[in-house]
Amino acid sequence: RKEVEQDPGPFNVPEGATVAFNCTYSNSASQSFFWYRQDCRKEPKLLMSVYSSGNEDGRFTAQLNRASQYISLLIRDSKLSDSATYLCVVRAQNAGNMLTFGGGTRLMVKP
Amino acid sequence: EAGVTQSPTHLIKTRGQQATLRCSPISGHTSVYWYQQALGLGLQFLLWYDEGEERNRGNFPPRFSGRQFPNYSSELNVNALELEDSALYLCASSLLTGGYNEQFFGPGTRLTVL
Repeated sequence: RKEVEQDPGPFNVPEGATVAFNCTYSNSASQSFFWYRQDCRKEPKLLMSVYSSGNEDGRFTAQLNRASQYISLLIRDSKLSDSATYLCVVRAQNAGNMLTFGGGTRLMVKP
Repeated sequence: EAGVTQSPTHLIKTRGQQATLRCSPISGHTSVYWYQQALGLGLQFLLWYDEGEERNRGNFPPRFSGRQFPNYSSELNVNALELEDSALYLCASSLLTGGYNEQFFGPGTRLTVL
């Protein structure tokens, strides 16, 4: 079983749609959580850190459920420019500063 | 503020050769991380350096090594290259504040082993 699991997609949605991605992690010692986006053949860019109480940044909302060990990302009013692969990332307390990446969920927003 | 920089952008080597990849962190960041992203695979952690010391190592053979210099820049060396080493090598940097220590990535070096 992978440490961080994501539905690879692709999620094909029209502009303006709301789309949600989920991610599960297996290491209960995980303490920090992130969403990164990665465009084709580019480096991952930090989208947002995910806090225990949940947090929002514009059209993006992230939630953390420690009991069920899952993280979610909600994108409202999707734009063409949101098309990318979204990576769920965790860092465990017992793993130094190593980030563990999920395989990514591909989003394609269409006109 | 300048981001993480890496050089070279592309590197082509043959089996058995050595490759050296370089990374300069964001100004003020003391930690540098190396990750490998092979085609069709996820990012895999390679190495973490902080204050000139190797702090953590991923599940890679010893022919993957590196170092961090006093100015916090870093080198990744891959000896005895194998075809499977062909990948995008990403460097990231962060502060160590005891908080989330967000890592910011450079554009990567694409290594091709022929």
